[in-house]
Amino acid sequence: GAGVSQTPSNKVTEKGKYVELRCDPISGHTALYWYRQSLGQGPEFLIYFQGTGAADDSGLPNDRFFAVRPEGSVSTLKIQRTERGDSAVYLCASSWGGGGDYEQFFGPGTRLTVL
Amino acid sequence: GESVGLHLPTLSVQEGDNSIINCAYSNSASDYFIWYKQESGKGPQFIIDIRSNMDKRQGQRVTVLLNKTVKHLSLQIAATQPGDSAVYFCAENFNQAGTALIFGKGTTLSVSS
Repeated sequence: GAGVSQTPSNKVTEKGKYVELRCDPISGHTALYWYRQSLGQGPEFLIYFQGTGAADDSGLPNDRFFAVRPEGSVSTLKIQRTERGDSAVYLCASSWGGGGDYEQFFGPGTRLTVL
Repeated sequence: GESVGLHLPTLSVQEGDNSIINCAYSNSASDYFIWYKQESGKGPQFIIDIRSNMDKRQGQRVTVLLNKTVKHLSLQIAATQPGDSAVYFCAENFNQAGTALIFGKGTTLSVSS
């Protein structure tokens, strides 16, 4: 079946601009996660959705980052006033259940470059 | 005392050898652990998982060992193949809210034929 998909695969933007990154989870998965991966590092947790609500947003680095999942399926990660330090690969994952107790299936990521 | 496997950022092996990748995890409250494989330009791919009520679990060519006493995980890959070349991450399921995975430092496995 279809896995987690993310669009765009690459995004280049200028410092100060606004970007949106999209995630389509596996159908039927109630839990959705966003992670950020810098070069040479493991993924770092940003935010977790259970259904439509953000159950844990403790990983968001500051208030320029925001994510939504209005219908409990597709999610959008939004970054305002981008900075060069935001450059990274943004990964989305989904799982059958939440709480970190289930296998998380990852998408291919969106590589964000802020010039 | 018991030795803890050192984390190596890179591991080079010959095709057909067995590989052992080590990981030290952070929190004694974690009760679910996963090994992921990540190839260049791709997202992490699930390899094998283990819960804290077990100390060993086997899959196809892979075995995960869990030592809760020293908070150590290892991944053993039998008869390593060139297609196994990738970065390997261990992950534990504990963050403050117990909701997400915390990833360890990756190990880059290079398999030469």
